[in-house]
Amino acid sequence: GQNIDQPTEMTATEGAIVQINCTYQTSGFNGLFWYQQHAGEAPTFLSYNVLDGLEEKGRFSSFLSRSKGYSYLLLKELQMKDSASYLCAVRDSNYQLIWGAGTKLIIKP
Amino acid sequence: DADVTQTPRNRITKTGKRIMLECSQTKGHDRMYWYRQDPGLGLRLIYYSFDVKDINKGEISDGYSVSRQAQAKFSLSLESAIPNQTALYFCATSDLSEGEGGETQYFGPGTRLLVL
Repeated sequence: GQNIDQPTEMTATEGAIVQINCTYQTSGFNGLFWYQQHAGEAPTFLSYNVLDGLEEKGRFSSFLSRSKGYSYLLLKELQMKDSASYLCAVRDSNYQLIWGAGTKLIIKP
Repeated sequence: DADVTQTPRNRITKTGKRIMLECSQTKGHDRMYWYRQDPGLGLRLIYYSFDVKDINKGEISDGYSVSRQAQAKFSLSLESAIPNQTALYFCATSDLSEGEGGETQYFGPGTRLLVL
C-alpha cells in the first residue's frame, strides 16, 4: 500500500528553527508537495520538490531525497502565525496526490 | 473575491437525506477535485474531473456522486447521508500550466458537514 508518515505534533519556540520530516512509500514518484493548513481553513501551497536537494523560499525550505523516500520542511525564525498543520503530499505514478495526516506545529512564546 | 468557493460552508443533516455540496471557481482551471478530511487522517480523494466530460472515481467514492456542470462548477452529492460521512469536505482545482511546479492544487474554504 501507499503510505506517508509525518509526526503528529511538534512544539517549537518563537524565533527558533523547526524541521518537520516526511517519509513516503508510494507506487511511483512524480513530485512532493508541502501545504500549510491553519485550523478550520483550506490548505495552502508552500513548496514543491521533484529533484533531490534543497529548495529555499524565504523562511521556509524543503528538502528531498528520492532514494531514501524522505523530505523535510524547515521553518526558520518562527513566528506565532506559523502555528498550523503542515501537510506532506506525494504525487504517485497515476499522478494522484497521496496525503499525509499532517503535523500540527505549536509555537510557544 | 475568492478564486474557489464552496457552498454551504456548514451543513447539518439527518441520516438518509440527500445533500449536495457545490464548488465554483474563477481560476479558469480544467481540473477539479473533491476531498474529505477527517481528524488524524490525510486528505482523501473522492472524485476528480479533468474537464467537463471527464469524471473519475477517487480512493473513497462509495456513497458519493458528482456532476461537472461547467468548467467552473463541480458538485458533490451524498445520495443517502450516513453518520460516518461527517467530515470536512474540500474542493480543489489545478491546471497543468499553472503553479510553481508540478501542477499545484488550490483549495476552497471547505464545507463542514455533520450527519446526525
